[in-house]
Amino acid sequence: GAVVSQHPSWVICKSGTSVKIECRSLDFQATTMFWYRQFPKQSLMLMATSNEGSKATYEQGVEKDKFLINHASLTLSTLTVTSAHPEDSSFYICSAPRLGQDNQPQHFGDGTRLSIL
Amino acid sequence: AQSVAQPEDQVNVAEGNPLTVKCTYSVSGNPYLFWYVQYPNRGLQFLLKYITGDNLVKGSYGFEAEFNKSQTSFHLKKPSALVSDSALYFCAVRDNGASKIIFGSGTRLSIRP
Repeated sequence: GAVVSQHPSWVICKSGTSVKIECRSLDFQATTMFWYRQFPKQSLMLMATSNEGSKATYEQGVEKDKFLINHASLTLSTLTVTSAHPEDSSFYICSAPRLGQDNQPQHFGDGTRLSIL
Repeated sequence: AQSVAQPEDQVNVAEGNPLTVKCTYSVSGNPYLFWYVQYPNRGLQFLLKYITGDNLVKGSYGFEAEFNKSQTSFHLKKPSALVSDSALYFCAVRDNGASKIIFGSGTRLSIRP
């Protein structure tokens, strides 16, 4: 079964709305979680690394104020797309390695499809 | 900086035939290499990995991959393709000194009956 749960799976909302996406590790702890963005027929682009108890590390070109990340516990990271616009429409995916197992494959959520009207 | 390349956007194979999906990588240290599969509107599912040891690694659903250090390649293979193997496949690499994984551009595998 799924070991990383991502919610919601699909969001449709009006331009200007802020949208929060949750990523939970279900049966393991994760001090680090990764947030990716995927455009149609393209690869995953790493947006940021979420760190439990500290600030997220953003990749170059990703707006920190636009994509707010909070990693408040060892099993939950959230990505908030603030004041979303149509160009933010995309498929967002989170992943997490098990604590202390950095050489093991990451577990991925099923993704969130965000559509901004 | 680490990088990974998948030179083929699409691979088409007849059911029952062998398939190969190509991947080459570049890292400064020893690589951790992964293959993932993605079905429509889903996250990624892990297929197999190479960390160290035997160059031929076997994974889920009958897939295998061969690590070739001299060619810096990690091609995904399966001896006999199934229609249900049709999906998007991603190769990924992590430098053993780094924390993040970099994905290739993906290869769409299409298996015709």
